[in-house]
Amino acid sequence: NAGVTQTPKFRVLKTGQSMTLLCAQDMNHEYMYWYRQDPGMGLRLIHYSVGEGTTAKGEVPDGYNVSRLKKQNFLLGLESAAPSQTSVYFCASSYSTGFSYNEQFFGPGTRLTVL
Amino acid sequence: GENVEQHPSTLSVQEGDSAVIKCTYSDSASNYFPWYKQELGKGPQLIIDIRSNVGEKKDQRIAVTLNKTAKHFSLHITETQPEDSAVYFCAARTPISGNTPLVFGKGTRLSVIA
Repeated sequence: NAGVTQTPKFRVLKTGQSMTLLCAQDMNHEYMYWYRQDPGMGLRLIHYSVGEGTTAKGEVPDGYNVSRLKKQNFLLGLESAAPSQTSVYFCASSYSTGFSYNEQFFGPGTRLTVL
Repeated sequence: GENVEQHPSTLSVQEGDSAVIKCTYSDSASNYFPWYKQELGKGPQLIIDIRSNVGEKKDQRIAVTLNKTAKHFSLHITETQPEDSAVYFCAARTPISGNTPLVFGKGTRLSVIA
């Protein structure tokens, strides 16, 4: 199993450009998450999904949109990139059955720079 | 909502010494407390977790303790080795529903000096 994969690994954008980050998992997980990691700020949840066709906002959703059209894929979109969105983005996935305590499996990250 | 504070932000220890990282949480209803390790250039990986009905859990050189009354939990690493150098994150989950995501601390950068 490949686990959680992210595409691309690196990207440089100019302010105002748009892009989509792709996350894919092959573990049949219900839940998927997008985080951003900034120095000294830890991992902050952007959006998450509890199943195909459903998404929810996390702690820092502004400026991002997401879609979960297929169970194995979770897309993160930036419609008009801003320098404040320069960050490392991590995708994660997990099983969830009600109140179970489920490990989150993280991808390798995407380093995004907005000039 | 839940808030998780983590200390220290950086920690340096000599190889073979012990390392302790502490976290506090705000919501007394939180019942699951995992710890993740992030090596350079990689995504975080779960190393140990503890549930609110347990006070301590150990796995070889790592252990986690939980004090529900004080709302804090700690990660203990004994006999540290250079490969323990990484960023460690604590997290907490409040079971408002089965859909509640984890809330992470800001991380501790551990350096083990050979």
